[in-house]
Amino acid sequence: EAGVAQSPRYKIIEKRQSVAFWCNPISGHATLYWYQQILGQGPKLLIQFQNNGVVDDSQLPKDRFSAERLKGVDSTLKIQPAKLEDSAVYLCASSLTQGARETQYFGPGTRLLVL
Amino acid sequence: AQSVTQLDSQVPVFEEAPVELRCNYSSSVSVYLFWYVQYPNQGLQLLLKYLSGSTLVKGINGFEAEFNKSQTSFHLRKPSVHISDTAEYFCAVSEIQGAQKLVFGQGTRLTINP
Repeated sequence: EAGVAQSPRYKIIEKRQSVAFWCNPISGHATLYWYQQILGQGPKLLIQFQNNGVVDDSQLPKDRFSAERLKGVDSTLKIQPAKLEDSAVYLCASSLTQGARETQYFGPGTRLLVL
Repeated sequence: AQSVTQLDSQVPVFEEAPVELRCNYSSSVSVYLFWYVQYPNQGLQLLLKYLSGSTLVKGINGFEAEFNKSQTSFHLRKPSVHISDTAEYFCAVSEIQGAQKLVFGQGTRLTINP
C-alpha cells in the first residue's frame, strides 16, 4: 500500500514570494491534515479536511495561508506572501475517517526555508 | 484545551541499555494518548496508542507505554535499545469528545551511543 506522498521535498524562497505544496493521501482515506512543524517543536495542526470539506482551520493564518481539496483526494497548501517565520516542515497526514481514535499516517514532509 | 509536556528534550543512552521517555499531559476532559516516532528526513510513524482498557500498551519495535491517570502521564519505555532507535519521539493527546485533534509535545531526541 502506497503511503502519503508529498512534493516538493525541499523549497527555498525569499520572503514575500508565494509557494505551494502538494499532498496525495493514502487511497481511500477520507480525512486529510496539514501540519506545520517548526524546528525544535512538535507538529501543529493547520487544517483538517473530511472529503472536500473543511473540519477545522482554526490555527490556519488565513491572511496568508490557504488550502484546498477540491475533489476530496489530493490537496494543495499555499502560502502567499511568505514570511521568515514560515520556515518549517509542512507535513501532510491522512486517516481512514475522522475521529480521535483514528491513526494518522504521515508523509515525509516538505521542508521550507524562507530567506 | 489540552497540552503535552515532554520532560526531556534530549536523552542519550548506550546501546542495549533501557530507556524511558517521559510525557505528561494536561486536559480537563478524557483523552486518547499516542506516541509517534520520526526518523531523520521522514514523516511521523505511530508507535502505540492508548484508547481504553489495560493501562500498559505495547507497540512496535519493542516499545511500551503506561497510562497513569492520577499522574496524567504516559511514559514510553524500551528494555534494550538499538542504534536503529535513534530518532525523535513525540507524545500526543486527543480529546475523546470535542475537537478531537492531535496535540503534540515538543519532542524528545533519543540518541543511542555504541
